[in-house]
Amino acid sequence: AQSVTQPDIHITVSEGASLELRCNYSYGATPYLFWYVQSPGQGLQLLLKYFSGDTLVQGIKGFEAEFKRSQSSFNLRKPSVHWSDAAEYFCAVVPSGGTYKYIFGTGTRLKVLA
Amino acid sequence: SQTIHQWPATLVQPVGSPLSLECTVEGTSNPNLYWYRQAAGRGLQLLFYSVGIGQISSEVPQNLSASRPQDRQFILSSKKLLLSDSGFYLCAWSAGDGLLAFFGQGTRLTVV
Repeated sequence: AQSVTQPDIHITVSEGASLELRCNYSYGATPYLFWYVQSPGQGLQLLLKYFSGDTLVQGIKGFEAEFKRSQSSFNLRKPSVHWSDAAEYFCAVVPSGGTYKYIFGTGTRLKVLA
Repeated sequence: SQTIHQWPATLVQPVGSPLSLECTVEGTSNPNLYWYRQAAGRGLQLLFYSVGIGQISSEVPQNLSASRPQDRQFILSSKKLLLSDSGFYLCAWSAGDGLLAFFGQGTRLTVV
């Protein structure tokens, strides 16, 4: 079955430490890939997206993500985390072929220690 | 620029009461529209999407319905709320190719 998996429900890092949030998808063809961030009680904000081309994409707020076709992964990274990065992060895919449907992972809640 | 409005921000409703959540988009035409639900401790579940006026696709069987009476208006409804309908509801839109979604600020619904 088609799915998006974020294996880490919670992650805690110290401010200034590096961060990697994992995302794996299960689709026959390479989908379009996204990372969104949600602050408490708020909607979702797009961090970055991958459609094609360079497999390392840069986003807002210093985030980047790397698409690895062989691993069906699209992991989100940040070299140095700031306290304001504490939020919930969602990986999402739109299956190629024009279905218009965003499929989200279950999210990873990030806590940042001062 | 395009904006999406969703209201109300919070809502407390008794079991068995009706529901109507409204979402409108400005600054674009013929958007794809979506309703998602985020239950406590769970991810986002796609409930409905619409690619045009009167065209509604339901993703999961449930107690809710959706309507699109105008091009940029998307309404989520229920005739009788259940406790299990509690959650955070998000409206979203994307352009014709469906490749970039923008989200409203959400409605926190508590059914008591």
